[in-house]
Amino acid sequence: SQQGEEDPQALSIQEGENATMNCSYKTSINNLQWYRQNSGRGLVHLILIRSNEREKHSGRLRVTLDTSKKSSSLLITASRAADTASYFCATALRNFQGAQKLVFGQGTRLTINP
Amino acid sequence: DGGITQSPKYLFRKEGQNVTLSCEQNLNHDAMYWYRQDPGQGLRLIYYSQIVNDFQKGDIAEGYSVSREKKESFPLTVTSAQKNPTAFYLCASRPLSGQGSGNTIYFGEGSWLTVV
Repeated sequence: SQQGEEDPQALSIQEGENATMNCSYKTSINNLQWYRQNSGRGLVHLILIRSNEREKHSGRLRVTLDTSKKSSSLLITASRAADTASYFCATALRNFQGAQKLVFGQGTRLTINP
Repeated sequence: DGGITQSPKYLFRKEGQNVTLSCEQNLNHDAMYWYRQDPGQGLRLIYYSQIVNDFQKGDIAEGYSVSREKKESFPLTVTSAQKNPTAFYLCASRPLSGQGSGNTIYFGEGSWLTVV
């Protein structure tokens, strides 16, 4: 199963409202990242939070990380129609050879209604 | 402009054919990745490479092959052994820690592969 699981799978809100998405993971991580994907496009990095950080802000984005619960949340404040996209969390895992790979969750499809 | 270029954007494959998806980056990144994305789903790792002439299997490597002869290039071949190849394929690259943005991964625009 996927290392990261986002919740909810889909979220539809009115423009101006706040959107909260959650991510849970299973194993110890070096960091957790959030990405955005517009339909049919590549993913764009939004924000990275390290395992020793609890909260991070970037513009209208706020990310929290609770390593004891193995969970993270992404809050988008004052949502805009242009925020409509899929949002993915990704965890950085290091294998026995020292190589690092990112494992992505299933994503949350966010729709902002004007 | 610096970035990751995937080609072609759309590709149609007949049953039994091998096809190769191109991925080129001019970001001087050491690590490169291939992911597969099925409609409405997340990304699954196919192969990744940390240095030239070395690569490792991801979670769904069966039916795929890669090469890393040059730092800038990481082509993915979808072989006839891959029974359900219709999907969106994403190439990505990352500078290793100590360079630029460290752990951030940068994506190309993707390639759509359809079996006809």
